[in-house]
Amino acid sequence: SQKIEQNSEALNIQEGKTATLTCNYTNYSPAYLQWYRQDPGRGPVFLLLIRENEKEKRKERLKVTFDTTLKQSLFHITASQPADSATYLCALPAGSGYGQNFVFGPGTRLSVLP
Amino acid sequence: DTEVTQTPKHLVMGMTNKKSLKCEQHMGHRAMYWYKQKAKKPPELMFVYSYEKLSINESVPSRFSPECPNSSLLNLHLHALQPEDSALYLCASSQGGTRQETQYFGPGTRLLVL
Repeated sequence: SQKIEQNSEALNIQEGKTATLTCNYTNYSPAYLQWYRQDPGRGPVFLLLIRENEKEKRKERLKVTFDTTLKQSLFHITASQPADSATYLCALPAGSGYGQNFVFGPGTRLSVLP
Repeated sequence: DTEVTQTPKHLVMGMTNKKSLKCEQHMGHRAMYWYKQKAKKPPELMFVYSYEKLSINESVPSRFSPECPNSSLLNLHLHALQPEDSALYLCASSQGGTRQETQYFGPGTRLLVL
């Protein structure tokens, strides 16, 4: 069956450390994968998109990797700050790989402790 | 303008009521989405409109009826809902017609069915 898993429901780290979140998927063949941030009571906000032929993508303190062999994406936040505390969701297009029927992972709730 | 707006922010309705949720975007996007999100769960796709035509219906009960009057507007008509339909309803839009769609989400309508 098709499944998306994120490494843990909740992750606590100390300010200044690097947070690493994992997204694993089974029985999907996405052409790309996305990461979103969601704060309580608000809609998700797009952070990064990585294509199947890209190994790594960066944006400021954020880095995403994508390994289609392992069927895994890693999301890193370096020099983490309390303001980075939120739920982080990975999402991918189900179906043909480029479709609009997006499926979200369950999310990881990140808490950055001062 | 990269904003998706949703009205109302909150809605309480009885099981016999009829109500509508509204969503609007002015980014020129041609794909619009409705998601349902329960507490501590990821968003679940309900409907996708592409170029004002319903392209995806994820087996949603008929008590939810989507409508796309034009490329900027998306409605969700609600009738005879059940208490288990209480959730955050999120609208999103994306460019449409590309092979890598990035979604922009609205803040959501928090619905309570009594």
